[in-house]
Amino acid sequence: DTAVSQTPKYLVTQMGNDKSIKCEQNLGHDTMYWYKQDSKKFLKIMFSYNNKELIINETVPNRFSPKSPDKAHLNLHINSLELGDSAVYFCASSQGSGRYTGELFFGEGSRLTVL
Amino acid sequence: GQSLEQPSEVTAVEGAIVQINCTYQTSGFYGLSWYQQHDGGAPTFLSYNALDGLEETGRFSSFLSRSDSYGYLLLQELQMKDSASYFCAVLMDTGRRALTFGSGTRLQVQP
Repeated sequence: DTAVSQTPKYLVTQMGNDKSIKCEQNLGHDTMYWYKQDSKKFLKIMFSYNNKELIINETVPNRFSPKSPDKAHLNLHINSLELGDSAVYFCASSQGSGRYTGELFFGEGSRLTVL
Repeated sequence: GQSLEQPSEVTAVEGAIVQINCTYQTSGFYGLSWYQQHDGGAPTFLSYNALDGLEETGRFSSFLSRSDSYGYLLLQELQMKDSASYFCAVLMDTGRRALTFGSGTRLQVQP
């Protein structure tokens, strides 16, 4: 039973295309995130949603559009893909209220390669 | 700006003890987390310190000194499977609960 699952795991596409990554969590958490990990392994927050409401949008180009249809799902759509978008995108979730434990639960990642 | 500094690489032998340091300079601070990531895998949570002092979880311990803006992860009785990248991460805002990660330390455990 995977706690945070994201699809697809691998994406290879051409510059200029549009692609989506889906994420679902079955932990009952109310906060979900998208992180981007570049080739140097630097993990950077992109977006965060709490109960379907966007609460963090970190200077990400507006080609990136997250959508949260409900608190268990957070999708990421990317328009007009560029070479620099090549990275591993991680979805994560955490409890959004109550005592904070410092723990994010990450999905397995979606490796995007733009050619 | 925000910065979290960690060594880029550490090498140690099986059975040894290794300490990975993290110093931070952030606009807010509520706690320091540590994550492990094997190549091709997802980051997984190891520990969290909100208060000064040492937290122990099996072979791994984590320490925080808020006055020094410093923490470390201590790994004891190293095993080959501990070869991975280790990230410190700061919680800057309890409302947003997103972590800001350091650049990671690659630990190589040798036989």
